[in-house]
Amino acid sequence: EAGVTQFPSHSVIEKGQTVTLRCDPISGHDNLYWYRRVMGKEIKFLLHFVKESKQDESGMPNNRFLAERTGGTYSTLKVQPAELEDSGVYFCASSQGPLETQYFGPGTRLLVL
Amino acid sequence: DQQVKQNSPSLSVQEGRISILNCDYTNSMFDYFLWYKKYPAEGPTFLISISSIKDKNEDGRFTVFLNKSAKHLSLHIVPSQPGDSAVYFCAASMASGTYKYIFGTGTRLKVLA
Repeated sequence: EAGVTQFPSHSVIEKGQTVTLRCDPISGHDNLYWYRRVMGKEIKFLLHFVKESKQDESGMPNNRFLAERTGGTYSTLKVQPAELEDSGVYFCASSQGPLETQYFGPGTRLLVL
Repeated sequence: DQQVKQNSPSLSVQEGRISILNCDYTNSMFDYFLWYKKYPAEGPTFLISISSIKDKNEDGRFTVFLNKSAKHLSLHIVPSQPGDSAVYFCAASMASGTYKYIFGTGTRLKVLA
């Protein structure tokens, strides 16, 4: 069974540009989560989808971040316009049910210059 | 305000000996705890979990202990192997309401051959 996949693995952009990250959860997992780790600190929650609905977006830093999960399959996280402090590793995770263990993807390393 | 704390950023242990990684939390509403292992350039990999109704859970060489009164959990690895060298994250969640994981900052374990 394929795990959580994320694309791209790395992205280097300039401040003010737009970047879109993609996450494909494990097949059949209705719950999809986005997290971010900045500069070796803790991994911080961004938001949680149940199918195509946003269950919890309390961790989204500001309105420059937009997450979507059309059709309840893969999800995208768009940062527009990107700022220097958005640099970090963005992880996606999925679980079958909300109380089930979350399985993480390899992450997208974003560097904003 | 960090609700999950891993106060030791790094730990070195001889191969074959016991590794003990510690984690403290402040929110008494947390009722589910997990440990993840992370290798460089990879996503966190689920290791072991424990519910607040238990005080110990064991899986092979890995045992997690939970002390609710002290709001403390620990991960024991016995015997430690060089392949265990990684960053270990402690995470906590609440079964009710939001299902997000709150992570600590991680402890880098180095097992010396």
